[in-house]
Amino acid sequence: AQKITQTQPGMFVQEKEAVTLDCTYDTSDQSYGLFWYKQPSSGEMIFLIYQGSYDEQNATEGRYSLNFQKARKSANLVISASQLGDSAMYFCAMRERGNTGKLIFGQGTTLQVKP
Amino acid sequence: DSGVTQTPKHLITATGQRVTLRCSPRSGDLSVYWYQQSLDQGLQFLIQYYNGEERAKGNILERFSAQQFPDLHSELNLSSLELGDSALYFCASSVDPRAETQYFGPGTRLLVL
Repeated sequence: AQKITQTQPGMFVQEKEAVTLDCTYDTSDQSYGLFWYKQPSSGEMIFLIYQGSYDEQNATEGRYSLNFQKARKSANLVISASQLGDSAMYFCAMRERGNTGKLIFGQGTTLQVKP
Repeated sequence: DSGVTQTPKHLITATGQRVTLRCSPRSGDLSVYWYQQSLDQGLQFLIQYYNGEERAKGNILERFSAQQFPDLHSELNLSSLELGDSALYFCASSVDPRAETQYFGPGTRLLVL
């Protein structure tokens, strides 16, 4: 069965430093998609970045980049130059096999940015 | 703002009652997904519709049902509510199931007393 694992329940980072949030996945599919979402304390789920399994380059969106290592089945999120507003819960997700678009989520990592 | 709207934002009700959660997808999106987020279960997929038809079902209880209307908005009906149904319910939408983006609405926070 497909599975997403986020092993860091909580992390701290100093403002303006970079931080890496870990995500590993388990799938036997060749074609899949990986997503990262941010959930601030207000509760909404904010889409950050997407990586397709056939994409040769790591995805980047502003200060967010995805360190995609296919052989290791990892899709770590890197946030550069952390800001106080980055404090939130971060979820890694994988699109399930088939044609449904259903997302399977990890348990999340809480990131706190210190001033 | 993701462009996905959900109403109501908050809902407080009693056990045994029935509620309806409403979702309007982003303009142009044909696929609608419902997810439930609770402390013990995390984020779980409930059900998906594509252009009015049910496409996939997850761990959705028989007391729950959903539909997508011709104008593409969707409703999630929760009946015979139990304390354990208290959760944050998200609707998400995408152009199609293989899209590289899936945007979430602000969620409906349901509290069953």
